[in-house]
Amino acid sequence: EPEVTQTPSHQVTQMGQEVILRCVPISNHLYFYWYRQILGQKVEFLVSFYNNEISEKSEIFDDQFSVERPDGSNFTLKIRSTKLEDSAMYFCASRPNRSAKNIQYFGAGTRLSVL
Amino acid sequence: DQQVKQNSPSLSVQEGRISILNCDYTNSMFDYFLWYKKYPAEGPTFLISISSIKDKNEDGRFTVFLNKSAKHLSLHIVPSQPGDSAVYFCAASAQFGNEKLTFGTGTRLTIIP
Repeated sequence: EPEVTQTPSHQVTQMGQEVILRCVPISNHLYFYWYRQILGQKVEFLVSFYNNEISEKSEIFDDQFSVERPDGSNFTLKIRSTKLEDSAMYFCASRPNRSAKNIQYFGAGTRLSVL
Repeated sequence: DQQVKQNSPSLSVQEGRISILNCDYTNSMFDYFLWYKKYPAEGPTFLISISSIKDKNEDGRFTVFLNKSAKHLSLHIVPSQPGDSAVYFCAASAQFGNEKLTFGTGTRLTIIP
């Protein structure tokens, strides 16, 4: 069964460093998302991406964040200068097309630890 | 901003009995609702969904009920099995909100053998 793949599973970084979280969405999907879950809190939407551009972003997704689809398979989330409060699980999700029901398929997540 | 609420952080149910998980929402623009199941160290896995034009959707042991007037939905699992032990998230989306999912805080379901 096709699945969303995220790497690495755990990323440890120093405050102020840049990190890139990688995702390979399901191959025929067209809509891509990043969510995050801070420990003990709810899963929160960060950004959606379609047709090579951001279609919506949350207040959390400030100038420190960026997303890119550098080739036909990868979808990346970059945090330019990490803060302690960026420590969280980051989930990538994808969805086939607009006519499909809004069922988003999630990867296993990347745990980001900022020290 | 608690647009989707799951008021029970945890629930324990005997194996074979019915598990009922509840979810409330406040945003009238939500028109599609989903339940996800999450095991530790894994991402949320889609379980079942319902559109606002329906009041019930069934898939095997899982049934979701939607009460639009009360802005309430529930997930029924019957019979409950030990493998159902997980955290269950309710999520909602709005057709004109670019379909981002708004999640509840989750309910940890434990099935007692």
